[in-house]
Amino acid sequence: GDSVTQMEGPVTLSEEAFLTINCTYTATGYPSLFWYVQYPGEGLQLLLKATKADDKGSNKGFEATYRKETTSFHLEKGSVQVSDSAVYFCALSVYSGYSTLTFGKGTMLLVSP
Amino acid sequence: DAGVTQSPTHLIKTRGQQVTLRCSPISGHKSVSWYQQVLGQGPQFIFQYYEKEERGRGNFPDRFSARQFPNYSSELNVNALLLGDSALYLCASSPRTGGNTEAFFGQGTRLTVV
Repeated sequence: GDSVTQMEGPVTLSEEAFLTINCTYTATGYPSLFWYVQYPGEGLQLLLKATKADDKGSNKGFEATYRKETTSFHLEKGSVQVSDSAVYFCALSVYSGYSTLTFGKGTMLLVSP
Repeated sequence: DAGVTQSPTHLIKTRGQQVTLRCSPISGHKSVSWYQQVLGQGPQFIFQYYEKEERGRGNFPDRFSARQFPNYSSELNVNALLLGDSALYLCASSPRTGGNTEAFFGQGTRLTVV
């Protein structure tokens, strides 16, 4: 079946540090890949997505590149802010008559001033 | 435009009771999906409805059921509640159910079973 593996957290960084959150996947078909973010007490917000190999998704300074050869979709940001503190979920979607999201367990990011 | 709205935001139920959670999708969205998020885990797919018909079901017992109404709103019902059903229940809407379709999530309903 489909699955997503993320690095365990929490990831603790100082403001303006470089961020990488690793994500690898296993899929039965050709997936679309997503990063969602969840702030405390809130639902999920789509951060970025990529739908085919070598695509780069980007938003709010975050980037991730769809690497089919390594089945990876690592999230990066050059300079994190305190407001980036949240839980980040990597997810995939494979269409088989309908599309659903398969999520990783999430990685908590804590950014200190 | 209003986003996905869910009600109630929180509720507490006793083991063995039944609960109904409600979701209103974004205007114009015809697909609604339900996910269960246990504390510390990623969301798990429960159901997807499109145009009032069930399109997919995750690995959940028959105690879980759902339906979609003509206005595309949806209800999730859980019978004979167990302590393990305590979770955040998320509703997501999409304009359609095809591949690469983005899902928009509501704030969730926090269910506590005591």
